[in-house]
Amino acid sequence: AQSVTQPDIHITVSEGASLELRCNYSYGATPYLFWYVQSPGQGLQLLLKYFSGDTLVQGIKGFEAEFKRSQSSFNLRKPSVHWSDAAEYFCAVGSSGNTGKLIFGQGTTLQVKP
Amino acid sequence: NAGVTQTPKFRVLKTGQSMTLLCAQDMNHEYMYWYRQDPGMGLRLIHYSVGEGTTAKGEVPDGYNVSRLKKQNFLLGLESAAPSQTSVYFCASNRGRQETQYFGPGTRLLVL
Repeated sequence: AQSVTQPDIHITVSEGASLELRCNYSYGATPYLFWYVQSPGQGLQLLLKYFSGDTLVQGIKGFEAEFKRSQSSFNLRKPSVHWSDAAEYFCAVGSSGNTGKLIFGQGTTLQVKP
Repeated sequence: NAGVTQTPKFRVLKTGQSMTLLCAQDMNHEYMYWYRQDPGMGLRLIHYSVGEGTTAKGEVPDGYNVSRLKKQNFLLGLESAAPSQTSVYFCASNRGRQETQYFGPGTRLLVL
């Protein structure tokens, strides 16, 4: 069965420090992978997505993610975190079939220290 | 272009009451989805639709019904609300498989 695991429930980093949020997926074929961000009280906003091609994907707000098939991972990175990056981050994989459904991880809450 | 909108934003129900949540999108998307979000559980799919007049069950459909009479609207109904349905509900839409899902702002529901 398809699944997504985000091993870190909560991460705290200092402003200006680098960030890496982990995502591991289980999927039989080439996955469609997404990272969404949710600010408090808001809906989800797409940060970036991977469908095929270059395994290093650039997104909005200075985020990037690298698809590693051998490790079944799609980790999100940012070289220098800003206080406004404090939010909840969700990794998702597109399910098989023609439904467009997404399977989400449990989410990682990012706290940024001044 | 409003994107995906949800009505209402917040609602309090008593156990056993019924209500309908409305989702509307103005992007002419074929596919629409209803999720619920609970702490530590991410988003779980309740029901979805791949086109006008079609609906299908997701991961957690029990206690909910849906209808997609018009392409732009997707309604989520609770016939007899239970405290376990206290949650934040999100609607999303996209053009189809492999396409980005766009999310509404959410409806916060409290069932007492």
